[in-house]
Amino acid sequence: EPEVTQTPSHQVTQMGQEVILRCVPISNHLYFYWYRQILGQKVEFLVSFYNNEISEKSEIFDDQFSVERPDGSNFTLKIRSTKLEDSAMYFCASSEWAGGPYEQYFGPGTRLTVT
Amino acid sequence: DQQVKQNSPSLSVQEGRISILNCDYTNSMFDYFLWYKKYPAEGPTFLISISSIKDKNEDGRFTVFLNKSAKHLSLHIVPSQPGDSAVYFCAASAAQGGSEKLVFGKGTKLTVNP
Repeated sequence: EPEVTQTPSHQVTQMGQEVILRCVPISNHLYFYWYRQILGQKVEFLVSFYNNEISEKSEIFDDQFSVERPDGSNFTLKIRSTKLEDSAMYFCASSEWAGGPYEQYFGPGTRLTVT
Repeated sequence: DQQVKQNSPSLSVQEGRISILNCDYTNSMFDYFLWYKKYPAEGPTFLISISSIKDKNEDGRFTVFLNKSAKHLSLHIVPSQPGDSAVYFCAASAAQGGSEKLVFGKGTKLTVNP
């Protein structure tokens, strides 16, 4: 069964450093998402991406965040200057379509630890 | 922001019995609802969904009920199995309104005892 994959599974970085989290969505999916879950809190939406553009973003997704689809398979989340409060599980998701009742399928997550 | 609420942080049931997980929402724009299951150190796994035009959707042992007037949905698992032990998240979206984002509840940890 096709699945969303994410690398690395765990990333430790120092405050102020840049990190790139990588995702390979399901191959025939067209819509891509990033969510995060801070320990003990809800899963929160960050951004959605379609046709090489951001289609929706949350107030969390400020200028330090960016997303990119550098090739036909990868989807990345970049955090330019990490802060302690960026420590969280980051989940990538994809869906076949959007704008209607379509399920989002999630990857296993990347645990980001900022020290 | 408590648009989606799961008021029970945990639930414990015996194997073979019914598990009922509840979810309430406040945003009347939500028109699509999903349940995800999550094991530790894994991502959420899609279980079942329901559109606001329906009041019930069934898939094997899993049934989701939607009561729009009460802004309430529930997930029934019958019969419950030990492998169902996980955290269950309710999520909602205003899909027809053009928003793709899922809004999640805090989750309910289900323990199914053998």
